[in-house]
Amino acid sequence: DAKTTQPTSMDCAEGRAANLPCNHSTISGNEYVYWYRQIHSQGPQYIIHGLKNNETNEMASLIITEDRKSSTLILPHATLRDTAVYYCIVRIHNNAGNMLTFGGGTRLMVKP
Amino acid sequence: GAVVSQHPSWVICKSGTSVKIECRSLDFQATTMFWYRQFPKQSLMLMATSNEGSKATYEQGVEKDKFLINHASLTLSTLTVTSAHPEDSSFYICSARDPLAGVYNEQFFGPGTRLTVL
Repeated sequence: DAKTTQPTSMDCAEGRAANLPCNHSTISGNEYVYWYRQIHSQGPQYIIHGLKNNETNEMASLIITEDRKSSTLILPHATLRDTAVYYCIVRIHNNAGNMLTFGGGTRLMVKP
Repeated sequence: GAVVSQHPSWVICKSGTSVKIECRSLDFQATTMFWYRQFPKQSLMLMATSNEGSKATYEQGVEKDKFLINHASLTLSTLTVTSAHPEDSSFYICSARDPLAGVYNEQFFGPGTRLTVL
């Protein structure tokens, strides 16, 4: 699976959009971009994933650059409960079920 | 979404004893479950992949005789830490993949078990 690079930490004001970047310059054509987050002392939570098109769900939006070498997770209106470590993971997806390889992630601190 | 539970949520044990952690998929059948370990302020590290009805596949550096994994049914996998030592103190997290969740098969994680070995 391709390696990802994320900033170690970010701050965001409550109510503002949080934009979390991820670089994955070695991504291959059949690899998806997945985002998970982990609130302190809890298990990771799936957020969103995409291949090349931008994606949006009730939690977030995922913007993938045209060359697919980077992406941005957007939390449109961050709340204090969004404070967590956000992991960007790139992997091949198939029915056999590949495991997830977690990098360091970005520690997002949402401040009042 | 699918729900994965773990039991216990935390456990404290004496050095040299064994501890069993259960991971259950509550509303789906999971042919594959994964066990991760997370030390303070570090990321999750995959320990092993557990396949129902067969032996687990361990990651390099993980002692299979120390971390016993049993996946006897489609809804339950157990991790037993044998002869636990203080350095085994960690946050253990399982995840499961729902094969019927769709083509994307995202993993669902349990809430984690915090093990403290005295």
